[in-house]
Amino acid sequence: GNSVTQMEGPVTLSEEAFLTINCTYTATGYPSLFWYVQYPGEGLQLLLKATKADDKGSNKGFEATYRKETTSFHLEKGSVQVSDSAVYFCALSVNNDMRFGAGTRLTVKP
Amino acid sequence: ETGVTQSPTHLIKTRGQQVTLRCSSQSGHNTVSWYQQALGQGPQFIFQYYREEENGRGNFPPRFSGLQFPNYSSELNVNALELDDSALYLCASSFDGGSYNSPLHFGNGTRLTVT
Repeated sequence: GNSVTQMEGPVTLSEEAFLTINCTYTATGYPSLFWYVQYPGEGLQLLLKATKADDKGSNKGFEATYRKETTSFHLEKGSVQVSDSAVYFCALSVNNDMRFGAGTRLTVKP
Repeated sequence: ETGVTQSPTHLIKTRGQQVTLRCSSQSGHNTVSWYQQALGQGPQFIFQYYREEENGRGNFPPRFSGLQFPNYSSELNVNALELDDSALYLCASSFDGGSYNSPLHFGNGTRLTVT
């Protein structure tokens, strides 16, 4: 079946630190991959996406590369800010099936 | 541009009761998906409606049902509530002609507590 496994949290970093949140997937067919973010008190919103192998999604300084050979879509940011504190969800969509990971809570301290 | 709005924001029901949750999709969107998010978990797909027809369903029992109206707003109905139905229910809209590959725009959710 289709599933997403992402790094368990919570993750706590200092401002300007490097961020990696790991995400791996299992899918039948050729999935599109997404990162969604949920800021405190807000709904989920799309952060970035990639629709085929080797595509790189990027937004707000965050990047993730669709790696078919390792079935991964790790989220990275070179220098996090306090405002990046949120819950991050990795997700896939394939053959009319959308699956989310359990979410990783990130806290960035000044 | 009006975003996705859900009502009510919070709801408390008793086991065995029925509940209806409502969602207004973002303007220009014709597809609505519903998700259940338990505490500390990711959203679980319940079903999707496209142009007033159910267009896909996750692993939820038939007591979870829905509707989509001509203005593309939607309802989620849950009958015979169980304690495990306590969760945050999220509605997401998109314009994708039935494809699941377009980004979802989420509402802030309805927190349902079943006692």
